[in-house]
Amino acid sequence: DAGITQSPRHKVTETGTPVTLRCHQTENHRYMYWYRQDPGHGLRLIHYSYGVKDTDKGEVSDGYSVSRSKTEDFLLTLESATSSQTSVYFCAISTLRGTAYEQYFGPGTRLTVT
Amino acid sequence: DQQVKQNSPSLSVQEGRISILNCDYTNSMFDYFLWYKKYPAEGPTFLISISSIKDKNEDGRFTVFLNKSAKHLSLHIVPSQPGDSAVYFCAASVTQGGSEKLVFGKGTKLTVNP
Repeated sequence: DAGITQSPRHKVTETGTPVTLRCHQTENHRYMYWYRQDPGHGLRLIHYSYGVKDTDKGEVSDGYSVSRSKTEDFLLTLESATSSQTSVYFCAISTLRGTAYEQYFGPGTRLTVT
Repeated sequence: DQQVKQNSPSLSVQEGRISILNCDYTNSMFDYFLWYKKYPAEGPTFLISISSIKDKNEDGRFTVFLNKSAKHLSLHIVPSQPGDSAVYFCAASVTQGGSEKLVFGKGTKLTVNP
């Protein structure tokens, strides 16, 4: 357990509305990530952060923005939700284990855009 | 272009027998490989990993084998138990001192029958 929580755990929203998902960690990890999981695609990286106010794009960043104003919180925002953003969203942290960094995931947020 | 491939969407084995899950990759820069296990409605959980400088890593019932020349890795579970029934994701990364971005396969659903 890497002390990661996500909120909300479930959300239904309408097309065109803004949505913010929150990832909270309690162990002062520097690196944080947002992924989405879709059937037939595995997990795909949306954005990641390597420190407060330091973020970068991942593989599927279009339509998403992120912010990290505190070490413990990493927010994912859908400015104007679309049906293609219906997915399960996972937050992850990276931590050094032995000689390599490994990622540990939160419980996920199921988002439905109608 | 899929850099990490899990060509078997599903696998069914009998309790007590060996489960072998396979994964192929195309990017020769990958130097760290991980397996994650995922139950429904939960986040992926780290299972086992292997560095490219090794060809085998063992942890209890789980062993990962890496064949760099073939760009292939496999996860062996012996003996398989009903509680091992889950989706297994293979992931790969390039070591970057913490900001590693994981590339995931699409997953293999393992069913262990009592």
